[in-house]
Amino acid sequence: GAGVSQSPSNKVTEKGKDVELRCDPISGHTALYWYRQSLGQGLEFLIYFQGNSAPDKSGLPSDRFSAERTGGSVSTLTIQRTQQEDSAVYLCASSKQGSTNTGELFFGEGSRLTVL
Amino acid sequence: GDSVTQMEGPVTLSEEAFLTINCTYTATGYPSLFWYVQYPGEGLQLLLKATKADDKGSNKGFEATYRKETTSFHLEKGSVQVSDSAVYFCALTLFKAAGNKLTFGGGTRVLVKP
Repeated sequence: GAGVSQSPSNKVTEKGKDVELRCDPISGHTALYWYRQSLGQGLEFLIYFQGNSAPDKSGLPSDRFSAERTGGSVSTLTIQRTQQEDSAVYLCASSKQGSTNTGELFFGEGSRLTVL
Repeated sequence: GDSVTQMEGPVTLSEEAFLTINCTYTATGYPSLFWYVQYPGEGLQLLLKATKADDKGSNKGFEATYRKETTSFHLEKGSVQVSDSAVYFCALTLFKAAGNKLTFGGGTRVLVKP
């Protein structure tokens, strides 16, 4: 597609349930990022994938959070046993790498997660 | 670690007023600096960037100059419009062979009133 696509756009779940958020990056972008934007706060880095390299998971807040990127394209962020403090907008971004890398990240519109 | 600090909002202005949003950074190397903007109901998008000291990024009437001596990258616009109402994020990245992870500031909400 033309831009980064995320689904669902909105998700309401009950505390303790598992959720999956999907990201489809821009075609040809080899790097993919997940960020979290909590109400009234900035963007918190979660995880980063680059090609076949091991992902940078340094921002994942707990072991309830995990992410996969299959085939170097689509990524899924999974939150297990959701807690109310997980409520936030989860943003996905992609970028080019290598000699064409300008540093710009292209963001999706986000998935708003509400944990009741 | 690397960090970005920007002034807290909200900033409320009248149309045609001068806007400044302060941004300072801490980094272990020589980062590239960015301003991203998030308009209501839309995703973040790049507004402008600067990749080395004394560079000036500009776009849509906004400007920011990379000041290494003060580790700052303040955003300015001489005459704002209602359509500039948005949340503005300052960010940095240290390019590495494996890619570039952006570190963001907390965001500054700007509201421009007619």
